[in-house]
Order: sequence, then C-alpha cells, then structure tokens
Amino acid sequence: GQNIDQPTEMTATEGAIVQINCTYQTSGFNGLFWYQQHAGEAPTFLSYNVLDGLEEKGRFSSFLSRSKGYSYLLLKELQMKDSASYLCAVRDLGNGQNFVFGPGTRLSVLP
Amino acid sequence: ETGVTQTPRHLVMGMTNKKSLKCEQHLGHNAMYWYKQSAKKPLELMFVYSLEERVENNSVPSRFSPECPNSSHLFLHLHTLQPEDSALYLCASSPGQATYEQYFGPGTRLTVT
Repeated sequence: GQNIDQPTEMTATEGAIVQINCTYQTSGFNGLFWYQQHAGEAPTFLSYNVLDGLEEKGRFSSFLSRSKGYSYLLLKELQMKDSASYLCAVRDLGNGQNFVFGPGTRLSVLP
Repeated sequence: ETGVTQTPRHLVMGMTNKKSLKCEQHLGHNAMYWYKQSAKKPLELMFVYSLEERVENNSVPSRFSPECPNSSHLFLHLHTLQPEDSALYLCASSPGQATYEQYFGPGTRLTVT
C-alpha cells in the first residue's frame, strides 16, 4: 500500500527559509513531486525528483533520499505570496504509475 | 485559451439531481484524470483516461460516471449524490499517463444538499 505523511501546518516569517518534510512508503517508487496550491486554485507543479539528491529551481529546492523514503521542499527568501498548501506526491508503479498525494502542508508566511 | 479549463466553477445540487462536470485541455495531451479533494483529506484519484480509454477506476461509486469523447474533453456525470460527495473536483492532464508532470484545472466546487 501507500502512505505519505507531511506536517499539517507550518508558519514562517517573510524573508526566512522553511523546510517542508515528506515521508512516504510505496510498493514501487518512480518519482516524487511537489505541487503548490493556493486557496481556491489549481495545484501547480513545482519540482520532480527521481534520483537521490537536491534539485534547485530558483528560490525552491527539493531533496530526495530513496533509501529513507524521505523528501523535503526548501523555500528560501520567503514572500507573502508563498502562503499556500504544498502537496507531496509519489508516482507508484504498484498503483499503475499514478500519483498518490500526501495530505498537504498549509504554509502561512507572516510579515 | 490555454491550459486546462473546467466548468462550472461552482455547483450546488440536490441529491436527486443529475448534473455533469466538464473539463477541456488545450495542451495536446493524451491522458486526463479526475481527482476529488475533500477538506482535510489528500487528493484522491478517481479516474484515468489514456488515449480516450479508461485505464483506472479507483473503486469510485457508480453515481459518478466519467466520459471521454476525445482526447481534449473529459466529463464527470453525477447522479443521486450524497452530501459527503461535496468536495472540489479537479481535472488534470498530462502528455502521456507515465509522463511526470500533470497540469490541473481550477476545479469545480460541488455542494450536495
């Protein structure tokens, strides 16, 4: 089966750095994805990791450790517009290559 | 118009009504998906279509009936729904089923009274 865990809520200050963790258990790992979802809007793709290590894309970075079933999303130089939910999703070969989503982490950025 | 669009954006229906949700993608993708997003729950995959063939049905009740007439359009027909079916219904598409990025529409906020 699949199980994906994330913290429910986090709070951080504008200009700071925040790390959102995700742990997962799957029967056939084939990639981990992070999506951003603002309230009332569609999820938008942020990053993709399939090999161990860090992927950097501007202010956002994502890290993966397959042996530990662990990923994190790192947001630097936080801005008010980064207040959103961040969804961790895993593609699972045991689930027909489909995505399994975590519950999401609601991040609030305070001035 | 670009991306993935969904209509209506909001829908209120009684338990005896029949309604349909529409999704359209202008990205030339071959795979389309329906997800359900309930409060405080993860996104749940409902249906997957690849090249207009249904390839996944995640034990969804028969009161939800999908239809994919062509690779650009996806419908979700609703009938005899329950209040617990109230949720945000998201459509997504991707170039192929196994490609890594899905593009989501804005969703339809459904309320069943």
